[in-house]
Amino acid sequence: DSGVTQTPKHLITATGQRVTLRCSPRSGDLSVYWYQQSLDQGLQFLIQYYNGEERAKGNILERFSAQQFPDLHSELNLSSLELGDSALYFCASSVEGSPLHFGNGTRLTVT
Amino acid sequence: AQSVAQPEDQVNVAEGNPLTVKCTYSVSGNPYLFWYVQYPNRGLQFLLKYITGDNLVKGSYGFEAEFNKSQTSFHLKKPSALVSDSALYFCAVRDSILTGGGNKLTFGTGTQLKVEL
Repeated sequence: DSGVTQTPKHLITATGQRVTLRCSPRSGDLSVYWYQQSLDQGLQFLIQYYNGEERAKGNILERFSAQQFPDLHSELNLSSLELGDSALYFCASSVEGSPLHFGNGTRLTVT
Repeated sequence: AQSVAQPEDQVNVAEGNPLTVKCTYSVSGNPYLFWYVQYPNRGLQFLLKYITGDNLVKGSYGFEAEFNKSQTSFHLKKPSALVSDSALYFCAVRDSILTGGGNKLTFGTGTQLKVEL
């Protein structure tokens, strides 16, 4: 068990809808990272937060947004969903300079 | 930009034989390299890392990796493969905060390892 908790495990929704994915990092980890894993794109970095502030941004669509709260949990919001957004979304956390520890992911299916 | 390449989509090996999963890197500055493993329906698990020091890095579950600066490679190895090693393996490179990349990892495309009896 990595200590990173992601909810929900599965999410099925329709095109055009909005969903929120939640991540609780390991105790003591200030950094949270979001990744998207799909068959055609592989593992893509979306965004990183450090202690509540955005630190790095990757290939994150404008329809997607994230935030990290004072208790360090993070949420990834996906809106105006399209079929192509179907993927596994992973959250990872770390302390500065240490390896990332990944949650088990949220599998999003857009129908 | 930092990047890694995994040239093989799949590697097949017989149980008990040595295995190698290949990775090459392209970085500016010192490379910080990692290997992760992913089992079905699970997140990625950290295996080992190279920051500096010995070119042979030992990690979890009997895995090791050899860093080769002249060949810009960081191949994952194990002397004797097990069926339970069958999984998806990712090589990754860490960005530097100094270059504005935060501390994120950039992953390769993954190599599916299949160990057969």
